[in-house]
Amino acid sequence: AQSVTQPDIHITVSEGASLELRCNYSYGATPYLFWYVQSPGQGLQLLLKYFSGDTLVQGIKGFEAEFKRSQSSFNLRKPSVHWSDAAEYFCAVGARTGGFKTIFGAGTRLFVKA
Amino acid sequence: GAGVSQSPSNKVTEKGKDVELRCDPISGHTALYWYRQSLGQGLEFLIYFQGNSAPDKSGLPSDRFSAERTGGSVSTLTIQRTQQEDSAVYLCASSSTGIGNEKLFFGSGTQLSVL
Repeated sequence: AQSVTQPDIHITVSEGASLELRCNYSYGATPYLFWYVQSPGQGLQLLLKYFSGDTLVQGIKGFEAEFKRSQSSFNLRKPSVHWSDAAEYFCAVGARTGGFKTIFGAGTRLFVKA
Repeated sequence: GAGVSQSPSNKVTEKGKDVELRCDPISGHTALYWYRQSLGQGLEFLIYFQGNSAPDKSGLPSDRFSAERTGGSVSTLTIQRTQQEDSAVYLCASSSTGIGNEKLFFGSGTQLSVL
């Protein structure tokens, strides 16, 4: 069965600083990988996804993520954080076999300071 | 409809009562998920419906939880004999075919409070 670990419960960065949110997954084959964001009072929105091809994927709002098979990781990055990026970020993995269910990590809460 | 609709948006109940939470997925979406979001617990998978296949119930925390999906569309999550630890936001999501690389569309959730 697949699983997702987000080691950081919360992270605080200064506005304009770079950001990296960590995600490690466990799955027996190459999974489908996702990052979702949940802004205060809003629903979950897909930022980006990876399922094949180039291991560096670009998403909305200036986010990118890199799939590293050797490290079973799919870290989310942004070169310059804006105050509006303060939100909770969820990494998720979808299996390629069986029921294709999507499993989410525990989330990382991002705080942005001025 | 235009998006995934959940009702009610808020539900307050007394310990021991039964509750029903409803989800209307996007029209035509064959896959439907229920997740539970508690503080510090992330999004906990509960159950997954995919077309006419038997649902994947592997995430249901106890036999007090059940869900059904009628006519391949609307789904109801039922919690019997509610406990305080059931308090959480229950999120429903749907996707077009349920293939693992698809984007999930989420509803706004039902905030359940068990007193």
